[in-house]
Amino acid sequence: NAGVTQTPKFRVLKTGQSMTLLCAQDMNHEYMYWYRQDPGMGLRLIHYSVGEGTTAKGEVPDGYNVSRLKKQNFLLGLESAAPSQTSVYFCASSSKTSGSSDTQYFGPGTRLTVL
Amino acid sequence: AQRVTQPEKLLSVFKGAPVELKCNYSYSGSPELFWYVQYSRQRLQLLLRHISRESIKGFTADLNKGETSFHLKKPFAQEEDSAMYYCALGWWGSQGNLIFGKGTKLSVKP
Repeated sequence: NAGVTQTPKFRVLKTGQSMTLLCAQDMNHEYMYWYRQDPGMGLRLIHYSVGEGTTAKGEVPDGYNVSRLKKQNFLLGLESAAPSQTSVYFCASSSKTSGSSDTQYFGPGTRLTVL
Repeated sequence: AQRVTQPEKLLSVFKGAPVELKCNYSYSGSPELFWYVQYSRQRLQLLLRHISRESIKGFTADLNKGETSFHLKKPFAQEEDSAMYYCALGWWGSQGNLIFGKGTKLSVKP
């Protein structure tokens, strides 16, 4: 099993360009998440999904959109990239639980630089 | 609102010394607490969670509801323990969401 994979690993964008980050998991997890990791800020949740076809906003959703058309994939889009979106992006997934939290499994990260 | 505080950004110890990474949380209900570790240029991975009551790589953490703390401890630090450590809080009804602290970078010197 590959676990959680992310594409691409690195990307450099110019301000105003758009891109999509792809996250895929082969663990049949219901829940998926997108985080950004910035120095001194820890991990902050951008958007999450509790199942195919559903998405919800996290702590820092502005400037991002997501889609979960297939259970195994969770896409993060930047419509018009800004330098403030320079960050490392992590995807994670977890099992559906009875109401509490389960272990999240993380992808390797995507390092994005916006010039 | 739920919150996780890791007061130390950087903790530096010598090999063989005891180490304690502090984590305090704010939540009025029954929390679920986790420690995640991120080694250099690697993905985050679960180190331990309080409901498992395990010792992983010599690390332990005890949930203290009175002090709302979940400190991570190891009696004898090793150089390979150098990494970024994140404390995370989950709760009933969170839909799997976790609130992460800002992390503590542990540096173990030879």
